[in-house]
Amino acid sequence: AQSVTQLDSQVPVFEEAPVELRCNYSSSVSVYLFWYVQYPNQGLQLLLKYLSGSTLVKGINGFEAEFNKSQTSFHLRKPSVHISDTAEYFCAVSDQSFQKLVFGTGTRLLVSP
Amino acid sequence: DADVTQTPRNRITKTGKRIMLECSQTKGHDRMYWYRQDPGLGLRLIYYSFDVKDINKGEISDGYSVSRQAQAKFSLSLESAIPNQTALYFCATSAGQGASQPQHFGDGTRLSIL
Repeated sequence: AQSVTQLDSQVPVFEEAPVELRCNYSSSVSVYLFWYVQYPNQGLQLLLKYLSGSTLVKGINGFEAEFNKSQTSFHLRKPSVHISDTAEYFCAVSDQSFQKLVFGTGTRLLVSP
Repeated sequence: DADVTQTPRNRITKTGKRIMLECSQTKGHDRMYWYRQDPGLGLRLIYYSFDVKDINKGEISDGYSVSRQAQAKFSLSLESAIPNQTALYFCATSAGQGASQPQHFGDGTRLSIL
């Protein structure tokens, strides 16, 4: 079985500052990794995904994430955040044979002017 | 129009009532899912269906049932609602080509049980 840990429940940051949202996973098999974003009163939207190949994955809205197999991490980064990035971010993992996503508990990104 | 539509968007009801949440999709996806979201717990899988004749329990299926009426429709029922089922419920879909396909979510149903 897979599990996901998002250690930071909330990350406050000023506009135009860089941000990193941390995600660690546990699995005994190879996995696919995803980051989703949830804006207020909306469902989740896919930001990016890692399936294979290059460990640096670029997503929408200027976000990117790096897969680190040895550290079982998939941290999300953005070099310069905007007010509109205020949302909740979920890391998720799926084993490669069966599409059941396991979600982390989420990190609320709060961007202030 | 939204690709994944959930109805109702909000519902307040009383303990013991039977509730049905509906989900319909226009994406043509075979796979459909029901999750509940609770603060600090993230999303947890209730039931999932990989095609019309396939229904599977997820992590927290007790107290819930589902029906896959058609490829495009997947409903979630609470047979006798209780207050700890108060949560935000999401329906999601994905294409059937394997685990690499992302899931597409509806906007959620906020359910309050008094």
